[in-house]
Amino acid sequence: ETGVTQSPTHLIKTRGQQVTLRCSSQSGHNTVSWYQQALGQGPQFIFQYYREEENGRGNFPPRFSGLQFPNYSSELNVNALELDDSALYLCASSVGTGEVYEQYFGPGTRLTVT
Amino acid sequence: KQEVTQIPAALSVPEGENLVLNCSFTDSAIYNLQWFRQDPGKGLTSLLLIQSSQREQTSGRLNASLDKSSGRSTLYIAASQPGDSATYLCAVSHSNYQLIWGAGTKLIIKP
Repeated sequence: ETGVTQSPTHLIKTRGQQVTLRCSSQSGHNTVSWYQQALGQGPQFIFQYYREEENGRGNFPPRFSGLQFPNYSSELNVNALELDDSALYLCASSVGTGEVYEQYFGPGTRLTVT
Repeated sequence: KQEVTQIPAALSVPEGENLVLNCSFTDSAIYNLQWFRQDPGKGLTSLLLIQSSQREQTSGRLNASLDKSSGRSTLYIAASQPGDSATYLCAVSHSNYQLIWGAGTKLIIKP
């Protein structure tokens, strides 16, 4: 167990709807990263938040947005859901944003878009 | 553009065998490389992290090596057990915030 929690565990949404996924970081971690993992593939980096500011972003459209709160918990919001958004969404927290800091992953949220 | 490839995509071996999983990457300018384990429907468990200045890391029956110049890493599992069955992913840290991942090797250990 890494101490990183995510909610909900599973979620089913309809195309066009909006969804919010939540992540609680490990104690003492100020950085959170979000990843999308489609079935049978490796995770793809969505974005990272460091001390409540977006610190880097992968190749995802603006309808993927995030927030990090003062307690360093985080949200991933996806608007106008598409069928291809169906995936496992993983968050990872770390002590800092440099490359030397290991990322600790939560169990993920399985999103199904119908 | 950094690309990470894992071969084979799937592997099935009898219990007790030693085995090697392979990971290759196209850009040697990495900060570190990590091996993860993922059980079906579950999140990721970090197994080993190798900094770019290191050649290998060991944890129990696992040994990971890194050859930056050739863009390769191997994960060696000794005396495999049915509980080792999972998907193994490697990821390289290509910037100060982003991990780039392979698609994984699905490992099945037959009792």
